This record gives sequence, structure tokens and C-alpha cells, in this order.
Amino acid sequence: GAVVSQHPSRVICKSGTSVKIECRSLDFQATTMFWYRQFPKQSLMLMATSNEGSKATYEQGVEKDKFLINHASLTLSTLTVTSAHPEDSSFYICSARAVNYGYTFGSGTRLTVV
Amino acid sequence: QKEVEQNSGPLSVPEGAIASLNCTYSDRGSQSFFWYRQYSGKSPELIMFIYSNGDKEDGRFTAQLNKASQYVSLLIRDSQPSDSATYLCASELYNQGGKLIFGQGTELSVKP
Repeated sequence: GAVVSQHPSRVICKSGTSVKIECRSLDFQATTMFWYRQFPKQSLMLMATSNEGSKATYEQGVEKDKFLINHASLTLSTLTVTSAHPEDSSFYICSARAVNYGYTFGSGTRLTVV
Repeated sequence: QKEVEQNSGPLSVPEGAIASLNCTYSDRGSQSFFWYRQYSGKSPELIMFIYSNGDKEDGRFTAQLNKASQYVSLLIRDSQPSDSATYLCASELYNQGGKLIFGQGTELSVKP
């Protein structure tokens, strides 16, 4: 079946630093990747949609200069949280979409900013 | 109004009972609907999806879709303690790049 590998699974960083999260589709080509954020006891909130080779489309209220998304190939998308602050601490999950595979989720990244 | 709404629960049922989870959606352009299960600290796992009116069964799970009422449900028969998790309903928005919009989730607790 389709597998999406997401790394790192956990990261702790200091306030003001940047963190990069990678999402790879291992055995299929993902035409579209989605990035979600989930705070404790809340649902998944879509942050942005990215298509290979084009700029990401951000949801309302999500700062595109703070959450940089790069989708350089059909198998790799990255999310960089720039100048992270404690309020950015959350569970970040990517999802890849491809014909015949539907939506496949990564295992998530727990970000803690101290 | 939220695009996808669920009762947050918690919903508590005894082991062996039927658990009924409900979801409503506001966008009539939504075509497909997904049910995911999420354990604490983990990523969502797909249970099943449905896009036609009526029922769709897969093992102990039955999804029901009523497009006229904009209502989706998930029934879990013979509930087990291992079914205790948060259940997320999602609608797929074809006219917005196919993105999935999630409800807030319903916490299910199955008591032994």
C-alpha cells in the first residue's frame, strides 16, 4: 500500500529558531500534498495545499512567510517553521494524495518550542 | 458555521454494543466523505470512505450517507475496548483542489 514517511517524529527547538519537517511518499508519486496542524484535543486544521513545482496555497489565517512549504518533487514536500515560538508548538501532519491511492497520512511531527 | 460538524462527545458504550457516530456537512459540493480513527498522539487511520447515498459496510463498520440531509454516520458493531479513540469525519472538496476538511472529532470510549 501507499506509505508516507514523515520526519522527524519529535523535535524540540529553542524559540526563534527554524525547524524543517519532511514528508516523503515512498512508493508512489504524490500529485498533491497537504499540511495539517493539530492542537491538543482539537481536530486537524488544514494549513496549506501544495502541488509539485508550484507555490503552495495557504488557508486563511496561515502566515505563508512563517510556514514555508516546498514541494520540489513528486515524492517530497517540506514544511519549515521559521522563527518558531511557543505558540507554534503543535502536532504537524502531512498527507499525500495520488490517483488510485486516495489520501495517505504521514505519522506526524510533534513540535515543542521552548 | 463549520463546514463539517461532529458531536465532540465523549461517547461511552459498553463492550459488544453498537456505537453510532454522526457528522453533518454544509458544502453541497462535497462528493466524498471519509471516516478516520485517531489514537492519542498518532496520525489518523482511514476506516472507510463513502460517496454514494445509502450504506456501505466493511466488517464491523457501516458508513451511511444521506446527501439530501447532508448527513454522514458511522456505525461500529460489536464495539471493542480497542475501538476507543477519536473518530474524525472529513469531506473532500473537489472544487477546492480536493482538500479534506475535518470535523472536530468524536471521542469514543468502549467500556469492558
